[in-house]
Amino acid sequence: TVLTQSPGTLSLSPGERATLFCWASQSVPNMFLGWYQQKPGQAPRLLIYATSSRAAGVPDRFRGSGSGTDFTLTISSLEPEDFATYYCQRYGTSPVTFGQGTRLEIK
Amino acid sequence: QGQLLQTGSELKKPGASVQVSCKASGYPFNTHGMNWVRQAPGQGLEWMGWINTNTGDPTYAQGFTGRFVFSLDTSVSTANLQITSLETEDTAIYYCARKNLLSDAFDMWGQGTLVTVSA
Repeated sequence: TVLTQSPGTLSLSPGERATLFCWASQSVPNMFLGWYQQKPGQAPRLLIYATSSRAAGVPDRFRGSGSGTDFTLTISSLEPEDFATYYCQRYGTSPVTFGQGTRLEIK
Repeated sequence: QGQLLQTGSELKKPGASVQVSCKASGYPFNTHGMNWVRQAPGQGLEWMGWINTNTGDPTYAQGFTGRFVFSLDTSVSTANLQITSLETEDTAIYYCARKNLLSDAFDMWGQGTLVTVSA
């Protein structure tokens, strides 16, 4: 399953709402779609699993949604620490695939 | 809780071999599969495959067969990635990532190991 993320780069200011998109080339069961955050020089961190479930310790400003081939990660009000690169992932089957990433930068 | 601790950076010449180790702590090692993920400089995440830490059975993604070998040392709760016949294109950060028992998502990551291949 090929995952395509949009936009490639998103420039926003702290306090604004961010909406990141992930499109799949074929339908993905909701239980197998996740989102990860990666900051420069750090390993990725699981944010969302099963489309909409937040991982432990993830603030509730992060919300995942979607179904079928269209998935969305929304950050309701950006904090300075949210500026990073975000990847969607199709897991639960082989091969696991990642989207190419959306870089969220400070405007 | 727990953590995954990987071995340090490596500088190798083309044609050499390298082993990256990932030591798990804080949870039963053989209950969670271990994935390997590659990130080339400035690029995205690429899944290399995973190893069943209960049976030792590896699964390799397309493009990671032949020169790449996953193994375990269960006596020290460690997963290993060996790469042989290194090429300059193998220069990347290699991550181990634990498979969550219930969801299959990658819920814990090692800090990454930079492997640089240069003559």
